[in-house]
Amino acid sequence: SYELTQPPSVSVSPGQTARITCSADAVSNQYAYWYQQKPGQAPVLAIYKDTERVSGIPERFSGSRSGTTVTLTIDGVQAEDEADYYCQSPDSSGTYVIFGGGTKLTVL
Amino acid sequence: QLRLQESGPGLLKPSETLSLTCSVSSASISSNSYLWGWIRQTPGKGLQWIGNIYYSGNTYYNPSLKSRVTISVDTSKNQFSLRLTSVTATDTALYYCASGTILITDDAFNTWGQGTMVTVSS
Repeated sequence: SYELTQPPSVSVSPGQTARITCSADAVSNQYAYWYQQKPGQAPVLAIYKDTERVSGIPERFSGSRSGTTVTLTIDGVQAEDEADYYCQSPDSSGTYVIFGGGTKLTVL
Repeated sequence: QLRLQESGPGLLKPSETLSLTCSVSSASISSNSYLWGWIRQTPGKGLQWIGNIYYSGNTYYNPSLKSRVTISVDTSKNQFSLRLTSVTATDTALYYCASGTILITDDAFNTWGQGTMVTVSS
């Protein structure tokens, strides 16, 4: 089955750069998406189509792709960025929605 | 701005059928601009996609749930619904309805409901 693998946790100090990866276990030409979820809240779409930032999401958030790995980068991390982050992508057939296991970003 | 609101029973017994409704406001459920979906989250765990329905009526389900899931649309009420049969304790989760603006954000969910907690317990 198609899987997306994320690191369980990432920790950075305020002002540093956080990078959260999402690796697919197979080659796919499907886009990836990133969500931010804060405690007690629904997920919020941050990045779509690998690199497009949703209106209202701070410019310090960006997305990139290298092969089967997509990366969410947060430049100049702020305390308010502490949250769980999930990647999403269709499987290689484009039929089913797959979520990564999520990454907890801790701002030290 | 499109808004979604889930509703349905919060407590079920094993073997019962889970039925949830998502009310859509500020958009037409019949519009070809949107996809409509259900996602669940076990407390303290990650997101699990349940299924999607499109304006065409086409539905796509998570293979692990496909035998028990039905997603449908009620255009008269501008709602879409989730039906999950033969529930067990493992179906205890926070259930979200969500939508995506296909032409802009492709297959992503850019609007989410607040979520409704469903507990399965005898």
